[in-house]
Amino acid sequence: EAEVAQSPRYKITEKSQAVAFWCDPISGHATLYWYRQILGQGPELLVQFQDESVVDDSQLPKDRFSAERLKGVDSTLKIQPAELGDSAMYLCASSLSTGQQETQYFGPGTRLLVL
Amino acid sequence: AQSVAQPEDQVNVAEGNPLTVKCTYSVSGNPYLFWYVQYPNRGLQFLLKYITGDNLVKGSYGFEAEFNKSQTSFHLKKPSALVSDSALYFCAVRDEGSNDYKLSFGAGTTVTVRA
Repeated sequence: EAEVAQSPRYKITEKSQAVAFWCDPISGHATLYWYRQILGQGPELLVQFQDESVVDDSQLPKDRFSAERLKGVDSTLKIQPAELGDSAMYLCASSLSTGQQETQYFGPGTRLLVL
Repeated sequence: AQSVAQPEDQVNVAEGNPLTVKCTYSVSGNPYLFWYVQYPNRGLQFLLKYITGDNLVKGSYGFEAEFNKSQTSFHLKKPSALVSDSALYFCAVRDEGSNDYKLSFGAGTTVTVRA
């Protein structure tokens, strides 16, 4: 069964450092999402791509976060500089399209700890 | 605006007993409803979804959910719980009447099934 791949699985960094997370969606999935999940809460959308274009980045803290999906396949989420409050699980998900009925399939996540 | 409430932070049941995880939603249009399960340090796994049609939806691992429009609920059920069902469960909603495709998650319910 095809899965969403993410790396690294765990990342420990010091505040003010830069970190980057990678996601490879299920083959053929045009839509890719990055979510942040704080411990004890549900995931919250950071950014949504349709192919290589950003569809929604209204919740992305653009002063320090950036995301790209240059060729419309895999994607990178970057934080620079990292802050203590960025400690969370970062989840990537993909779906066939942006249709509201579409199921999103999630990767295993990257757990970030900022010291 | 769309939102989901999971009124119980924790549900504890004995193995073999019925399991119910509650979810209520709020949307302006028709809802698209989803259930996901998350095991420790893992991403979210899709269980089932309601789009339209039969109010009783069957999903993975013996789970089912009942859509109730009058009560704006979408409770997850399993007739006979297993110890391996112990995990964190999330309900999510999309509003058909919304201009975006964001999936809104509840805060999650921790299920513990004791042997």
